[in-house]
Amino acid sequence: GAGVSQSPSNKVTEKGKDVELRCDPISGHTALYWYRQSLGQGLEFLIYFQGNSAPDKSGLPSDRFSAERTGGSVSTLTIQRTQQEDSAVYLCASSFDSSGQPQHFGDGTRLSIL
Amino acid sequence: GESVGLHLPTLSVQEGDNSIINCAYSNSASDYFIWYKQESGKGPQFIIDIRSNMDKRQGQRVTVLLNKTVKHLSLQIAATQPGDSAVYFCAESPLPNYGQNFVFGPGTRLSVLP
Repeated sequence: GAGVSQSPSNKVTEKGKDVELRCDPISGHTALYWYRQSLGQGLEFLIYFQGNSAPDKSGLPSDRFSAERTGGSVSTLTIQRTQQEDSAVYLCASSFDSSGQPQHFGDGTRLSIL
Repeated sequence: GESVGLHLPTLSVQEGDNSIINCAYSNSASDYFIWYKQESGKGPQFIIDIRSNMDKRQGQRVTVLLNKTVKHLSLQIAATQPGDSAVYFCAESPLPNYGQNFVFGPGTRLSVLP
């Protein structure tokens, strides 16, 4: 596609449920990032994938959060046993590589935990 | 990261005037800088980038200035239009730029007055 695509655009779920958020990066982009943007906060780094290298998971806030990237393309961010503090906009970005190329963002998934 | 969130600094300009949005960065090792525009309900949109071996770069109606001595970055928008109303934030990273190396500023809300 022309840009980074994220789905769903909105997700409302009950506390304790699991959710899966999907990101389809720009074709040919080897780097993929997940961020969280909470109301009143800036962008919070979650996880980074680069090609076939092991992902940098250092930003994941708890073991309830996990992400995978299949075939070097589509990525899924999974949140298990959701809590109200998980409510935020989850943004995905991709870049051609990591040698001074800008990240291009999707429009995010707005997650609301009831 | 730290952010003033809902109480973002706001810059109000008259339509047709020039806008200057400023960003102070803290990492003297940063080599790569990006300006993003974020409209309500959308993901951050890439505007322009600059590397540390340059002090000025121009795009369409936008100019980015980099002062490495005082670690200051600015975005100038010429002939500001209503469609320029958004939150603008800068990002910095050393090179290679990967993972959590990117640091995003809290943002400035630009309001264009008719």
